[in-house]
Amino acid sequence: NAGVMQNPRHLVRRRGQEARLRCSPMKGHSHVYWYRQLPEEGLKFMVYLQKENIIDESGMPKERFSAEFPKEGPSILRIQQVVRGDSAAYFCASSPWEAGGPNEQFFGPGTRLTVL
Amino acid sequence: AQSVTQLDSHVSVSEGTPVLLRCNYSSSYSPSLFWYVQHPNKGLQLLLKYTSAATLVKGINGFEAEFKKSETSFHLTKPSAHMSDAAEYFCVVSGGNTGKLIFGQGTTLQVKP
Repeated sequence: NAGVMQNPRHLVRRRGQEARLRCSPMKGHSHVYWYRQLPEEGLKFMVYLQKENIIDESGMPKERFSAEFPKEGPSILRIQQVVRGDSAAYFCASSPWEAGGPNEQFFGPGTRLTVL
Repeated sequence: AQSVTQLDSHVSVSEGTPVLLRCNYSSSYSPSLFWYVQHPNKGLQLLLKYTSAATLVKGINGFEAEFKKSETSFHLTKPSAHMSDAAEYFCVVSGGNTGKLIFGQGTTLQVKP
């Protein structure tokens, strides 16, 4: 059973460009979470999705950021018009559905975004 | 609201000596608590988790943690440090019914030969 996959592992963008980060959850997992790790900081929750639904986006910046988890295919985190402050490591985690709600989260290797 | 505070940003030990990484939590209800480890430029790996069963939780690689409700603590310990334990460690609480994780600021563990 393959783990959580993220691609690309490294992404370089110039200011004003768009960044698309992909996350394929573990097989059988229907919950996806995105976290951001800024330099010298811990991880911060961004968004929680189930298939075709955004459940909690309380950690998403109000502008330029969006996320989706379509019925088919990976979850996508999209950052429009990137700025230098978006440079960070973005981690995706997936979780199976269990009684009582989502449980342990399994993390991908992350995408390291650098904005020039 | 849930939160965690890691009391040390940096801990240095000698190889073969005990490890103690401290974590206090705040939660309005019985929390789910985790310790994750992150090696340089890698993803996060779950060391152990507490979900209201036994208060002493054993994890991978010889790590364990004890949930102490009276002290609101969840400290991570290991009897004997190994060079490969050098990494960043995060104490984490699960926040509410969506299961989102709330991370502490992290503790960098240095292991000296």
